[in-house]
Amino acid sequence: QKEVEQNSGPLSVPEGAIASLNCTYSDRGSQSFFWYRQYSGKSPELIMSIYSNGDKEDGRFTAQLNKASQYVSLLIRDSQPSDSATYLCAVNANSGYSTLTFGKGTMLLVSP
Amino acid sequence: GAVVSQHPSWVICKSGTSVKIECRSLDFQATTMFWYRQFPKQSLMLMATSNEGSKATYEQGVEKDKFLINHASLTLSTLTVTSAHPEDSSFYICSARAPTSQETQYFGPGTRLLVL
Repeated sequence: QKEVEQNSGPLSVPEGAIASLNCTYSDRGSQSFFWYRQYSGKSPELIMSIYSNGDKEDGRFTAQLNKASQYVSLLIRDSQPSDSATYLCAVNANSGYSTLTFGKGTMLLVSP
Repeated sequence: GAVVSQHPSWVICKSGTSVKIECRSLDFQATTMFWYRQFPKQSLMLMATSNEGSKATYEQGVEKDKFLINHASLTLSTLTVTSAHPEDSSFYICSARAPTSQETQYFGPGTRLLVL
């Protein structure tokens, strides 16, 4: 059973702070990792993808991957109230498979 | 790029009727599309993987005769909920995998179904 675990939250941070979202996965053979943001009542939208160990930065977002420890994280710098949403971690099950396994998501609340 | 549309965005129907939902990739060809369902405050649940020109692959517990999937072209997949019942009321979301994206899935805006 391939699993992706996330703390459901809510994670509350003040505006301007750094929000840190974490995700662990069970399948050591996983190749591709994604962070999606889902606003209430809307469908998920892709924020970042990461495939190699280390950090990947895109604007205020930084994804971090550690395959040895089987975790992937998302840092949001200078958090804004508009960042308040549920963040979904998704993992490609294995090379050759095209389905993603999603975590249940972490709700982030950024207070003004 | 990588825009996926869904139609309709919401639908209300009577119990026992069938509802068809369309998913289109607007600016890329998608050999694989996915159908998800999400109940309120629940996580995304993959229902089936739709491959162009072949039969869909359904996840365990999803009735293939109730949720008919057709992927007739590289830009269109349809999900038909047959003989809908109130328990089928949910948020149905499709996604499409861009061919050169290393498994990245782009989601449509979703279709909210309410069965009375």
